[in-house]
This record gives sequence, structure tokens and C-alpha cells, in this order.
Amino acid sequence: EPEVTQTPSHQVTQMGQEVILRCVPISNHLYFYWYRQILGQKVEFLVSFYNNEISEKSEIFDDQFSVERPDGSNFTLKIRSTKLEDSAMYFCASSLPPKDQPQHFGDGTRLSIL
Amino acid sequence: GEDVEQSLFLSVREGDSSVINCTYTDSSSTYLYWYKQEPGAGLQLLTYIFSNMDMKQDQRLTVLLNKKDKHLSLRIADTQTGDSAIYFCAETAGGGADGLTFGKGTHLIIQP
Repeated sequence: EPEVTQTPSHQVTQMGQEVILRCVPISNHLYFYWYRQILGQKVEFLVSFYNNEISEKSEIFDDQFSVERPDGSNFTLKIRSTKLEDSAMYFCASSLPPKDQPQHFGDGTRLSIL
Repeated sequence: GEDVEQSLFLSVREGDSSVINCTYTDSSSTYLYWYKQEPGAGLQLLTYIFSNMDMKQDQRLTVLLNKKDKHLSLRIADTQTGDSAIYFCAETAGGGADGLTFGKGTHLIIQP
């Protein structure tokens, strides 16, 4: 069964550094998402992406964050100047159109900021 | 805003049925979902129900939706040790929004 893949599985970064999290969505999906889960808290929506642009973003997704689809297969989340509170599990998801179809998640990247 | 609530823990004996409950607030949700997360793994889409349905059955899984009470449940028949995981209830956010709103997850603990 096709799946969403995320790399790396664990990323350790110094505070203030930039980090890029990578995702390969399911190949025929057209909607892409990033979520995060801070330890012990709920999974929170960050951003959705469709037709090469941001479709929607939450209050969490501020200027520190950006997303990109650099080629036909990858979908990335960049965090500039990381902070300690960015430490979390980051999940990528994808779905078929129309917009509210079930979202399929990857295994996540655990980001640890030191 | 939207909110999804679940009990944090459920303990059942192997072979019994597990019933995991969830309440939600957004009556305009299109779909309601159950995701399963095993230790160290991602969120696996278990099943989902369209908001105009009352029940959906898929092998050992039964989803019941009570729209009046905004209550969703997941029943796992003949619970096995492999069912041990965290189960997340989620709804599509209202107003046509893209993101899902998740509950905190229910830890299902299987007793031998």
C-alpha cells in the first residue's frame, strides 16, 4: 500500500539553526499537510498546500516557517532560527482531492532543539 | 473553537471488546476519523465515517456516530495484544478548513 515517507526520523539541531524536514507524499495525492505534536499534547495542524501554494495555515505557522514543493515528489518544511519550543514530532500528510478526503500520515520526524 | 475530547486510558482483557469514546464540538464536520499510533510509529488511518452516517463496520472495527450528542465511538471486537496503541479521534475543522482537529488520544492497554 502506498505510504507517506518522512526523513530524517530524528533531527537534532542547535537553537538558532535552520532545519528542513522532508516528506514524500503518496504519488497521486494533491493536498499536502504538516502537523506537529509537542510531547504530551495534541496533534496540531500547521499548514496545508495545494496547487503549489499554501492553502491554509494555522496561528502556529508564523514567519519562522515555510513550505516548498521543490520537485514533483518532495514536500518540505523549513524552520528558520529554531527555538527550544520547536522541539516536537512533525508529521506530514497527504490526501486526494477534493479537499476533505481522508489524510494519510507519515511516521513523523522527531525534532530536538538543544 | 473546535475541540475533541477523549479519555486518556482504557484497559481491557485480551479477547474482550474495547470501546473508545470521543466527543467533538464542530457540528459542521464532514468526516470523523480514527487514527492508531503504535510506539515509535506514525498516525495510521484506521477508519473514518461520513457525517451523514450512523454506523460503519470494517472487520473487527465498528464506528458509531451520534450527531445529536456529538459523540463518536470506536469498538474493537476480540481485542488482541497487537491492538495496544494510542487511538486518536479527529474531525475536519469547520467552515471548510483544511486541517484536522485531534483529541489527545486514548491509550489502549491490553491485559492478558
